[in-house]
Amino acid sequence: DVKVTQSSRYLVKRTGEKVFLECVQDMDHENMFWYRQDPGLGLRLIYFSYDVKMKEKGDIPEGYSVSREKKERFSLILESASTNQTSMYLCASSRTMAGYNEQFFGPGTRLTVL
Amino acid sequence: RKEVEQDPGPFNVPEGATVAFNCTYSNSASQSFFWYRQDCRKEPKLLMSVYSSGNEDGRFTAQLNRASQYISLLIRDSKLSDSATYLCVVNARADSNYQLIWGAGTKLIIKP
Repeated sequence: DVKVTQSSRYLVKRTGEKVFLECVQDMDHENMFWYRQDPGLGLRLIYFSYDVKMKEKGDIPEGYSVSREKKERFSLILESASTNQTSMYLCASSRTMAGYNEQFFGPGTRLTVL
Repeated sequence: RKEVEQDPGPFNVPEGATVAFNCTYSNSASQSFFWYRQDCRKEPKLLMSVYSSGNEDGRFTAQLNRASQYISLLIRDSKLSDSATYLCVVNARADSNYQLIWGAGTKLIIKP
């Protein structure tokens, strides 16, 4: 079974703090994704990576950065957390980048920024 | 207009009934279509891909209507365990065959 794990289920941070969200997958998938999910908006892609040290912006990259130093690990960084970044953050991985490939998700991190 | 639109529901349906959801998409060049299921406070999981000819998996049937640009999901003989949010996913970008666009989901509640 594919397993995608995220470092925290719940996180509370203060405005201006630097926040690190970690994601690890164990199926040797090439591609990893970071989404945020907000009520009524669906999943929105923040960043994705198709290889180690490679990254591409998604639809809403502003205020975020990512790091992929190892194939199995993809980190999302909030440089200076703001209240509008309060959300559910979901990491996913897929075997190839083709749109027909299933994405496997981690359990999510619910981030609250006060 | 949103790239992928779904009726948010909730759909309140008695156990054993048949329920159908539609999802419309805006990009006629879209090639890949999926239904994911998301249980409350859980991550999305793939329910089924949607093929041009339509496909069935047990009680679940997915159909694609390219002319009208929508996909549908039919659930027959609904079970209490079918209660979840159903997410429609489309690769909606003509210039990107890997970036998926997610609908906001339709919430289904099956009542005993």
